[in-house]
Order: sequence, then structure tokens, then C-alpha cells
Amino acid sequence: EADIYQTPRYLVIGTGKKITLECSQTMGHDKMYWYQQDPGMELHLIHYSYGVNSTEKGDLSSESTVSRIRTEHFPLTLESARPSHTSQYLCASSESLNPSTDTQYFGPGTRLTVL
Amino acid sequence: AQSVAQPEDQVNVAEGNPLTVKCTYSVSGNPYLFWYVQYPNRGLQFLLKYITGDNLVKGSYGFEAEFNKSQTSFHLKKPSALVSDSALYFCAVTDRYNFNKFYFGSGTKLNVKP
Repeated sequence: EADIYQTPRYLVIGTGKKITLECSQTMGHDKMYWYQQDPGMELHLIHYSYGVNSTEKGDLSSESTVSRIRTEHFPLTLESARPSHTSQYLCASSESLNPSTDTQYFGPGTRLTVL
Repeated sequence: AQSVAQPEDQVNVAEGNPLTVKCTYSVSGNPYLFWYVQYPNRGLQFLLKYITGDNLVKGSYGFEAEFNKSQTSFHLKKPSALVSDSALYFCAVTDRYNFNKFYFGSGTKLNVKP
């Protein structure tokens, strides 16, 4: 069982609120990722990080931002939530830059609903 | 550009029968291929991966997948399905030049009936 945690698991908020989705891993992995997934649908990469102070945008444009001040922590922030942000957000981490050993481990996800 | 296709939204199989979940891919270089499973209200769990070597890869829970370069496929298989295998299955691909990004398929819902 991978040690990657996401909080909250479920969040219902009103439009315009600022929110931060937390993701932490205790495996010392350098690489971390955020995916957005609508129920039963494919995953879309929205952010990733190679390590501390590294953040990159993924393939799906997102109004969210991320930070990577510590290896174990990769929070995602929405400054002003909108109903279009309603989705499931999955955090993942992986160990190395070597693809032969690189497996992504996923957190349980945060299901966000913006009213 | 890298991409993954899972042509079936849903696969239905009776318990005890063999199952196949299909995946085809497109990458610019040599592919690295993965299968993940997602149970309801859970994150994705790694099942197996192909990097190089033997085309038949064995993974968790009795699953296996066969890499076929000529058909650009990586179908997931299991000889005898269990009801507990019912879940959403995702195929993913990356390559040695861009392995910081994983591209996921749209997912296939597997229903195993008793």
C-alpha cells in the first residue's frame, strides 16, 4: 500500500471561495502529479513537479496553481472556485527519473463540488 | 504525440470466464505501458507495466498483459475472472523521451457477473 494522502476526501463549497487541496507522500518521491478526473472518465494531467521548487503545467489547462516547497508536500490551490471546477482531483507520486523503475502511486482523491 | 485508446467503454464477463480489456497506443519512441485499476471512491492502483524484455507481463491479482509491437497493443488479460475484479481499468503510456508524463486512456468498466 502506497503512502500518499489527500485531504479533504470530499469538499462542497460555494462559488468564489479559495480552496487548497492537500497532497502528501511519505515515500521520499521526487516526482509528483495532479490529475483531474470526471466520474468514470479518463485522467487529465494538470500539474507535475520534478522536485522541490519545480512545477510544470500539464496537458489540460487548469486555473489551479501548485507549489512544491517540500519534497513530501504538493498542494493545489484554486483562488476562486467555480462550478466548472467540480471534479475529482487525484494526486500521484513516483520515485525516479528512470522509467524502468518509475511507477506512479495514487492517493485516494479529493471529490470537489462547487455550488 | 503520445496517446492511448481503450475502444470499449464496458466489458461484461461471467465469473470464471477469461477476460480481456483492450488497449492500443501511439508513441513517437519506444513505449512504456502500464495498467491501473480504480475501485469505486478509491485512487488508482498499479497492476503491471511493460518496459522492455518479455512481451508477456504478469502483474497483481492474477492479471497479465501482452505487448504487441506490430499491432501497437497492450491488452490486459486474466484466465478466470472474479466478481471482485469488477472495477474501472486504465491503460497508460509514456516513453523514454518524455517519461515525466503519463497519458491515460479513457478507461474501461469491467463487470464480472456471478
